[in-house]
Amino acid sequence: SYELTQPPSVSVSPGQTARIACSGDTLPKQYVFWYQQKPGQAPILVIYKDTERPSGIPERFSGSTSGTTVTLTISGVQAEDTADYYCQSTDSSGSHVLFGGRTKLTVL
Amino acid sequence: QVQLVESGGGVVQPGRSLTLSCAASGFTFSRLAMHWVRQAPGKGLEWVALISYDGSRKYYADSVKGRVTISRDNSKNTLHLEMRSLSSEDTAVYYCARDGAGGYNSVFGYFYGMDVWGQGTTVTVS
Repeated sequence: SYELTQPPSVSVSPGQTARIACSGDTLPKQYVFWYQQKPGQAPILVIYKDTERPSGIPERFSGSTSGTTVTLTISGVQAEDTADYYCQSTDSSGSHVLFGGRTKLTVL
Repeated sequence: QVQLVESGGGVVQPGRSLTLSCAASGFTFSRLAMHWVRQAPGKGLEWVALISYDGSRKYYADSVKGRVTISRDNSKNTLHLEMRSLSSEDTAVYYCARDGAGGYNSVFGYFYGMDVWGQGTTVTVS
């Protein structure tokens, strides 16, 4: 079955760079979207179509892709970036949506 | 402003049915596909269902297929999720989300991305 794999946790110090990877066999053939979710809140879209940033999302959020892995990079991490992050994609038939398993970002 | 407001959650006994609704405002509802996504307590996000802009295409997660029906009323800017034969595994916060970042191209075919989410409605099966 189709799966997206994320690390369960990433920890960085303020001002450092956080990288969260999402891997899946079909990722070269489909876009990935990234969401941030803080406790008790709904998710928000932070990266769409692998590398695009929605208006209102800080420039420190960026996305990149290489083969079967897509990476969310947060440069100059701030305490407010502490949250759960999810990657999401679509299966090759365009009939199913899949989320990765969640990465908890901790800013030490 | 763009807004999605879910309703219809609550406590329901196992085996019963429940219908959730999502009221959309601030955008042309009839032009975009819509999703339901759920999140069990302490767990990650799980996609549940999607419906195309005109309701002609509906897709479901394997975990709910056959027990859930997604529908929409474009004249009332409203999305629905009918859930049947509920079990404790359906206990979750249910979000509706707009597919404003999705689309179609000749390389990837259909792709979906959720740019606006509601605040969610809680369903407890107990």
